Amino acid sequence: DGGITQSPKYLFRKEGQNVTLSCEQNLNHDAMYWYRQDPGQGLRLIYYSQIVNDFQKGDIAEGYSVSREKKESFPLTVTSAQKNPTAFYLCASTIPPGIEAFFGQGTRLTVV
Amino acid sequence: QQQVKQSPQSLIVQKGGISIINCAYENTAFDYFPWYQQFPGKGPALLIAIRPDVSEKKEGRFTISFNKSAKQFSLHIMDSQPGDSATYFCAASNQGGSEKLVFGKGTKLTVNP
Repeated sequence: DGGITQSPKYLFRKEGQNVTLSCEQNLNHDAMYWYRQDPGQGLRLIYYSQIVNDFQKGDIAEGYSVSREKKESFPLTVTSAQKNPTAFYLCASTIPPGIEAFFGQGTRLTVV
Repeated sequence: QQQVKQSPQSLIVQKGGISIINCAYENTAFDYFPWYQQFPGKGPALLIAIRPDVSEKKEGRFTISFNKSAKQFSLHIMDSQPGDSATYFCAASNQGGSEKLVFGKGTKLTVNP
């Protein structure tokens, strides 16, 4: 089945550590997105990429980094510079950019 | 800058009632307006979408009403059921790709039995 796979579903990180969240899609979509979801805050855009080897900062990019070396993969690294990383992270893809978004099931990151 | 404003933040409805969620936008370049439904611990999923060439779209118990002049659109859930309890997000984008998909802040709907 086509879709977006995020892994892991739950992730625990110690303060000061970097951690990478995986997002893989087999939908052949060009555009991919990372959102952060906190209670009452909706979906806040971290980074997005419209083509391979290109990505743009979203509204809350500080403390995060991404790469887009392959069309099907868009990993997100939460760095130690992100002061409040505990949240639910969602990856999405669309084709073309702006049309129906398909979301993964999310990764819940907790800093311990 | 919040490009799509959604209200209310939370909504409680009795079973069989009508749930109404409203959204407003400013950017006239937007020409695609989807609604997403999200259950706890899951990713959002497309529920229904509308383009500005029509004023209303209905799919089962879900209807989008669109007012282009007022730059507003709303989701109506008829005969609301406990299984409809979820968070609903409105969104807006431009099909040509010049505007990225933007979301409202979400409405948590609770349908009491």
